[in-house]
Amino acid sequence: ETGVTQTPRHLVMGMTNKKSLKCEQHLGHNAMYWYKQSAKKPLELMFVYSLEERVENNSVPSRFSPECPNSSHLFLHLHTLQPEDSALYLCASSQDRRISYNEQFFGPGTRLTVL
Amino acid sequence: AQRVTQPEKLLSVFKGAPVELKCNYSYSGSPELFWYVQYSRQRLQLLLRHISRESIKGFTADLNKGETSFHLKKPFAQEEDSAMYYCALPYSSASKIIFGSGTRLSIRP
Repeated sequence: ETGVTQTPRHLVMGMTNKKSLKCEQHLGHNAMYWYKQSAKKPLELMFVYSLEERVENNSVPSRFSPECPNSSHLFLHLHTLQPEDSALYLCASSQDRRISYNEQFFGPGTRLTVL
Repeated sequence: AQRVTQPEKLLSVFKGAPVELKCNYSYSGSPELFWYVQYSRQRLQLLLRHISRESIKGFTADLNKGETSFHLKKPFAQEEDSAMYYCALPYSSASKIIFGSGTRLSIRP
């Protein structure tokens, strides 16, 4: 598959569960991103990875834990989430981390519901 | 503080009418702004960016530093333009970006 893929597309979890979101990009890009899109707030950048190194962490609670094992894969590990964490989680990638110059390519998102 | 404001949640115009989607920003430096679009059942994708000075699908956007605006315009709307439009501002370090809350554009036949 081409572009940016995300699995699962839908996830329902309890507050005590541990789950992981997966993102894979097939574009040869060096930077990857996690965003949160909730119903009542604008799209929020959560984490930025450049060449597998985390370069930005925008005050995200520790119950969200990212992992980037290589430049093609990005994970978001979830544990002890709250109902307000229910949202669409988008992954994106770009050629490099200079957002001002590079187009970001987005995945389809994972719709997360926390019960 | 950096901020992006899209004052209209919904904009509805007739096919063939001009379209203007408003975006205002707050940024102390020299901004580089983007417009992203999400069509129904499709992914969020880049429409155009200030740095490229380009016209995509008939849309243009001019940076007005005096009014701190980056409005998206199209002279004649088409039904396929119906979508959600987001204005975005990269800022501070190279890897930060904030998005506006988005405007849903609906084109009536």
